[in-house]
Amino acid sequence: SQQGEEDPQALSIQEGENATMNCSYKTSINNLQWYRQNSGRGLVHLILIRSNEREKHSGRLRVTLDTSKKSSSLLITASRAADTASYFCATDEYSGAGSYQLTFGKGTKLSVIP
Amino acid sequence: GAGVSQSPSNKVTEKGKDVELRCDPISGHTALYWYRQRLGQGLEFLIYFQGNSAPDKSGLPSDRFSAERTGESVSTLTIQRTQQEDSAVYLCASSLEEGNTEAFFGQGTRLTVV
Repeated sequence: SQQGEEDPQALSIQEGENATMNCSYKTSINNLQWYRQNSGRGLVHLILIRSNEREKHSGRLRVTLDTSKKSSSLLITASRAADTASYFCATDEYSGAGSYQLTFGKGTKLSVIP
Repeated sequence: GAGVSQSPSNKVTEKGKDVELRCDPISGHTALYWYRQRLGQGLEFLIYFQGNSAPDKSGLPSDRFSAERTGESVSTLTIQRTQQEDSAVYLCASSLEEGNTEAFFGQGTRLTVV
């Protein structure tokens, strides 16, 4: 099952603008992570926010977490053409089989136009 | 090596043949995940290994799929009697421990069943 669901599915902006992507999830979590994927290959970890945190920054990235609404947002400020990629949120979902699965959403495809 | 290594990077196989995909995680990482990603889609959880615990196989789509891991090192994902719907990128990731740390991904194996 897909724990995290991102929206929008696709986003196209001009270079220099800010990009906001949202993620919703269904069960309680320990933490939520955002990843980036270029060209359908390996994912790169961007940022992790714990369930007791509300906001976190890393460079041009800002992540918020609202556990009451079971949602998170990723903001990329002053976007660059090189930010063009797919962005995924991931949560640790208890599988019921004694372990926590790292479960990914379907992703937001961001296009930054030079 | 410094990162997660997957081999082969590309595999073309005939329908009905068996294939074996390999993942070398980062040394010392106790958690290892396999995911499947179809073109333009999100990551579909397949199987999860954590240390010496029994693997979480809840994501394997059929009994044609199996995976093994030797201790905390190499893992192999085997697909028997491949079908065209098995065509996808298979991604492996490892992390230091279950739950609270980032996952490091390999570049994936692109499997094409003809």
